[in-house]
Amino acid sequence: GENVEQHPSTLSVQEGDSAVIKCTYSDSASNYFPWYKQELGKRPQLIIDIRSNVGEKKDQRIAVTLNKTAKHFSLHITETQPEDSAVYFCAARGSNYQLIWGAGTKLIIKP
Amino acid sequence: DTAVSQTPKYLVTQMGNDKSIKCEQNLGHDTMYWYKQDSKKFLKIMFSYNNKELIINETVPNRFSPKSPDKAHLNLHINSLELGDSAVYFCASSQEATGGYTFGSGTRLTVV
Repeated sequence: GENVEQHPSTLSVQEGDSAVIKCTYSDSASNYFPWYKQELGKRPQLIIDIRSNVGEKKDQRIAVTLNKTAKHFSLHITETQPEDSAVYFCAARGSNYQLIWGAGTKLIIKP
Repeated sequence: DTAVSQTPKYLVTQMGNDKSIKCEQNLGHDTMYWYKQDSKKFLKIMFSYNNKELIINETVPNRFSPKSPDKAHLNLHINSLELGDSAVYFCASSQEATGGYTFGSGTRLTVV
């Protein structure tokens, strides 16, 4: 069936450094790729998304890249800050409009 | 105004009881969902529902049943609660054409 693999499961970076989280998807018909941030005890919230007709999208310190040929997409966070600590989820929308979720990455920002 | 609201926020109950969690969205979205998030943080889809069809994750026990009185509400009813049902349950909604989900604040269910 359709699936999304997300790596790494845990990522620890020094404050100020960059963080990269990678996802691969299996359904070649996927056309929408959102990223969600979930802080401890809170709900998942959409932070950035990309559609299949675009290769890269930026919003201040965060960016997402998409490689449709390889079926990869990645989240890039630059100049990391303590408030970036959270669990990040990638997802891909399949041909039935349902989101298929990655397993999540716990991002730890070390002071 | 809260876009997706669910109640209660916390629910502690004994094994064998029946309970319901309510969810309402005021975004005009056409699809609503229930997710279960266990201690490992994985988001597991339980149900998705719009005015066309109900899609059930086949791994969800039939003790769980969604009830939608109208397009803006999708409640979750759970019969004969078990210890393993303890988790955080999230309601979400989306517009099929655009794709982004908006989540409710979650209901932490503890079965004792």
